[in-house]
Amino acid sequence: GEDVEQSLFLSVREGDSSVINCTYTDSSSTYLYWYKQEPGAGLQLLTYIFSNMDMKQDQRLTVLLNKKDKHLSLRIADTQTGDSAIYFCAETMDSSYKLIFGSGTRLLVRP
Amino acid sequence: ETGVTQTPRHLVMGMTNKKSLKCEQHLGHNAMYWYKQSAKKPLELMFVYNFKEQTENNSVPSRFSPECPNSSHLFLHLHTLQPEDSALYLCASSQVGDGGAFFGQGTRLTVV
Repeated sequence: GEDVEQSLFLSVREGDSSVINCTYTDSSSTYLYWYKQEPGAGLQLLTYIFSNMDMKQDQRLTVLLNKKDKHLSLRIADTQTGDSAIYFCAETMDSSYKLIFGSGTRLLVRP
Repeated sequence: ETGVTQTPRHLVMGMTNKKSLKCEQHLGHNAMYWYKQSAKKPLELMFVYNFKEQTENNSVPSRFSPECPNSSHLFLHLHTLQPEDSALYLCASSQVGDGGAFFGQGTRLTVV
C-alpha cells in the first residue's frame, strides 16, 4: 500500500541545521519530493530526488535517500526564521504521476 | 505571473449555494489536479486530469464536480456542500513523467 510518514513537529535554533525525516512504504517509488507550505499559502516545490540517487544538494538543502530502509531526509543548513513552515514529503510511483503526501512536519525556528 | 493561479482565494458559501473554483496554469503542463487540505488530515487527492481526460476520482462525493475544458484550465463546481467540506482546496499541475507538481495558492473555502 501507499503510505508516507513524517514526524509532526521539529524545533531548532536559528543558525543550526534542521533535519526532517520521512519514511515510505512502497519500494516502487520513482521520485521523492520535498514541499514547503507557509501559512495561508499553497505548496512550494523545494527539491526532488530520483530513486536511483542517494543524495542531492541544492544550496542550503541536502536530500538523502536510503532506498533500502525507505527513508528520506531533508537537511536545511544554517536554518533561518523564514524557514519556519510545514514541510511535506511526497512520492510518485512507477507508471503514475499522482503524488502521495505525508502529513507534514511543522518546523519552528527559534531566534 | 505565477505558474498556477487559483481564484478566488477565499470563499464563504451557504449549504444551498452553487459556486465554482477556478485554476489556470501557465507552465505548459499536461496534467492537472485538485487536492483537499483539511486540518489534521493529510493532503487528499480528489481528481486528476491528464490531457483533459479525467483519470482519477478518489471517491469524491458528487457535490464536487470537476471540469477541464483544456490543458490550461481546471474548475471545481460546488453545490449543496456540507460544513465538513470547509478546507483549503489546492490546484496543481505537472508534466507527466517529468518532475514534481506545482501548486497554486489555494482557495480557502468555508461552508456555513
